[in-house]
Amino acid sequence: DAGITQSPRHKVTETGTPVTLRCHQTENHRYMYWYRQDPGHGLRLIHYSYGVKDTDKGEVSDGYSVSRSKTEDFLLTLESATSSQTSVYFCAISEPKSGSTAREQFFGPGTRLTVL
Amino acid sequence: AQSVSQHNHHVILSEAASLELGCNYSYGGTVNLFWYVQYPGQHLQLLLKYFSGDPLVKGIKGFEAEFIKSKFSFNLRKPSVQWSDTAEYFCAVNPPGGGADGLTFGKGTHLIIQP
Repeated sequence: DAGITQSPRHKVTETGTPVTLRCHQTENHRYMYWYRQDPGHGLRLIHYSYGVKDTDKGEVSDGYSVSRSKTEDFLLTLESATSSQTSVYFCAISEPKSGSTAREQFFGPGTRLTVL
Repeated sequence: AQSVSQHNHHVILSEAASLELGCNYSYGGTVNLFWYVQYPGQHLQLLLKYFSGDPLVKGIKGFEAEFIKSKFSFNLRKPSVQWSDTAEYFCAVNPPGGGADGLTFGKGTHLIIQP
């Protein structure tokens, strides 16, 4: 398995509180991603990073912000959590191979977040 | 925008039955295609991938998939399923290129194998 850890693995919080989820990788991959997984929706991209301090929005970015100050860490912040953000959050990493444009993503174990 | 459709949301099979899960994508250009599997309570694991070349790709655990460009399809197959194949299966696509584009996933197929 790829060296990806997520913390915390489970969290229960209340509406309106800030929450930060951490993704840490030991693979030195350039690209990192945050997805959320909801029943009937599959996985949807929230934000991604293509390098230190370089981030961009995904399909469902409203209500979320990210930061990447080091190659190995990618933080996802919910500034003011809402019940609609109750979900399982997965981090993923990817690295373009030299001489190829093909790349695959490797996923972390996930964080189950419940917003009451 | 690209999208991925998985036709079967729930599939129930008996052990030793053959499996085929459908996946169609909408994207005008060349794409990279993936099948991921998620066992209960676990993270996503890559089953197989198609980037270029032979359209019939073989993955782990006896799975294979065929890319049919004219049909925009990438169906997953296994000739004889086992109880341990019970899981959620996701088809995903991203365009080739050097960018960091994320994957677009289908909504998943929940596969249950009955002993």
